[in-house]
Amino acid sequence: DADVTQTPRNRITKTGKRIMLECSQTKGHDRMYWYRQDPGLGLQLIYYSFDVKDINKGEISDGYSVSRQAQAKFSLSLESAIPNQTALYFCATKPVSSYEQYFGPGTRLTVT
Amino acid sequence: GDSVTQMEGPVTLSEEAFLTINCTYTATGYPSLFWYVQYPGEGLQLLLKATKADDKGSNKGFEATYRKETTSFHLEKGSVQVSDSAVYFCALSDNAGNMLTFGGGTRLMVKP
Repeated sequence: DADVTQTPRNRITKTGKRIMLECSQTKGHDRMYWYRQDPGLGLQLIYYSFDVKDINKGEISDGYSVSRQAQAKFSLSLESAIPNQTALYFCATKPVSSYEQYFGPGTRLTVT
Repeated sequence: GDSVTQMEGPVTLSEEAFLTINCTYTATGYPSLFWYVQYPGEGLQLLLKATKADDKGSNKGFEATYRKETTSFHLEKGSVQVSDSAVYFCALSDNAGNMLTFGGGTRLMVKP
């Protein structure tokens, strides 16, 4: 089935470590997004990409970087993790022709 | 900038009770409005949408009407089930349909 997958699903890491979260999709969508979810704050946009050569910062990009390796892959990196980056991270995709975004299952990241 | 405000939870109801989750928004132009649902351990799924004033979105017994005069998009269901227990997010899109702004989410708990 066409899908949005995220790896890992859970990760515990220490302060100062570099970590990468990966997102892959088989939907053939051009647009991909990374969100962070904190309790009571909804989802906040970290980065988004409209195609392989078009990457943009969202509202909370500080401390994060991304790489769009191919249409189907969009990775999020924390160069030096800190405890307040503990959160649930979601990847999403969207076709050009629709308003609907399709979300992956999420990665729960804990920084100790 | 655009913003979405929804009632804080948790909302606890008995099975077959009537549900209302309030959502109001601030936006320039003519946004489309959405309700997304997040079941435990999963990513967000689109529940319903409305793309212009007075449109009613509906799905799985849930309904919401786009009220431009009150800038609201309240979610309703006449008779909730235990399986409706989830977190519900109200969201709006920018005029181009590329970006979503989310409310903080409302957790619904339905007891048998």
